[in-house]
Amino acid sequence: DAGVIQSPRHEVTEMGQEVTLRCKPISGHNSLFWYRQTMMRGLELLIYFNNNVPIDDSGMPEDRFSAKMPNASFSTLKIQPSEPRDSAVYFCASRPTSGRDNEQFFGPGTRLTVL
Amino acid sequence: KNEVEQSPQNLTAQEGEFITINCSYSVGISALHWLQQHPGGGIVSLFMLSSGKKKHGRLIATINIQEKHSSLHITASHPRDSAVYICAVGTSGSRLTFGEGTQLTVNP
Repeated sequence: DAGVIQSPRHEVTEMGQEVTLRCKPISGHNSLFWYRQTMMRGLELLIYFNNNVPIDDSGMPEDRFSAKMPNASFSTLKIQPSEPRDSAVYFCASRPTSGRDNEQFFGPGTRLTVL
Repeated sequence: KNEVEQSPQNLTAQEGEFITINCSYSVGISALHWLQQHPGGGIVSLFMLSSGKKKHGRLIATINIQEKHSSLHITASHPRDSAVYICAVGTSGSRLTFGEGTQLTVNP
């Protein structure tokens, strides 16, 4: 298996533009997580899905952020409009089952820079 | 006070040394995870444990549920072990709460 796939790996955009980050989880995994990592705040959970349904989005910073999982093999995280403070590395991770105690497999991350 | 605290924040060692990184948490957990993040940025799960001890190669992770404390040990450290080591605890549902990480540098 190729592991969790994220695209793009790097994104540079201007303030106010829409940004869409993409994630393909490992086949057969039914839990998907979006994280953000910054120097100031470290790693933070933004949202996670079980069986394509958003379960906990309390980490989503504000209405500018939205995430979807239209099917078991694809998820997007959208920022509209983007702001410089959104600059961070965004990680997607997936997990084999909805059980709480299974390890998560991380994607390589998308490094976002908002100018 | 952070729910998950790691120490030390930075650690420099000589190749071959025994290394210990500590993690303390203040909430009830379902499991504790140790993650490794290399300079390139990729994150790898090293261990997930809810009791006792686990060993994988030169890495050993222990957890004391009563004391809410975990340690990650590296025996015979090597420069390729240089990375950031992150402790994370599973709390409500599937949420993970992360420590700030420990930057380990192993010099040859």
